[in-house]
Amino acid sequence: QVQLVESGGGVVQPGRSLRLSCVASGFTINGFAFHWVRQVPGKGLEWVAVTSYDGSNKYYAVSVKGRFTVSRDNSKNTVYLEMNSLRVEDTAVYSCARGYCRDTRCYYFYGMDVWGQGTTVTVS
Amino acid sequence: QSVLTQPPSMSGTPGQRVTISCSGSISNIGDNTVNWYQQLPGTAPRLLIDNDFERPSGIPDRFSGSKSGTSASLAISGLQSEDEADYYCATWDDSLNGYVFGTGTKVTVL
Repeated sequence: QVQLVESGGGVVQPGRSLRLSCVASGFTINGFAFHWVRQVPGKGLEWVAVTSYDGSNKYYAVSVKGRFTVSRDNSKNTVYLEMNSLRVEDTAVYSCARGYCRDTRCYYFYGMDVWGQGTTVTVS
Repeated sequence: QSVLTQPPSMSGTPGQRVTISCSGSISNIGDNTVNWYQQLPGTAPRLLIDNDFERPSGIPDRFSGSKSGTSASLAISGLQSEDEADYYCATWDDSLNGYVFGTGTKVTVL
């Protein structure tokens, strides 16, 4: 069963750091792009970051650029989101999502087809 | 504020056709393919439409996507009660160098 499970969320003070993990099961993350998306309960989806299938390209939302870093460890089938200098406005549920592939092409600018249930980050 | 604008809400009765609009610009919809996602209450989003109009495996053909210039649309025909959800358009934005979601549309089945 293809699944993504996030962990690492919690309550943290402004200015502190947190690292989120996204463990994949039922498939290998090799060859797939991965995104992080956040959502404040009751509000819309906000894209946060993406790492390309090989980790060579990484892009970030303006709101987190310079503070957040996305990375991947294919040997652990895990994707990470390192969040530094956290702000109150970073409070949200953070989800990882697998990049969609069209045939054998898995570009980072395609959509997302598998999502985790998310982990809650509260900055207060 | 998102660079992709959707109507906040739409409604219809069972069996009706509902069309959700998504307005963007040259740097996003005008130059890249559009995705549509459905988010049922309390669940993770589901990819409904890829590449402007293509349905991933398992998506009913009641859902259809289209695009013209810097705008895109999602049509739901034969509306069903289980279609009551939030719908988001999304695409890559070349100016922002990032993926962007629309403001979201809540569809209510009356």
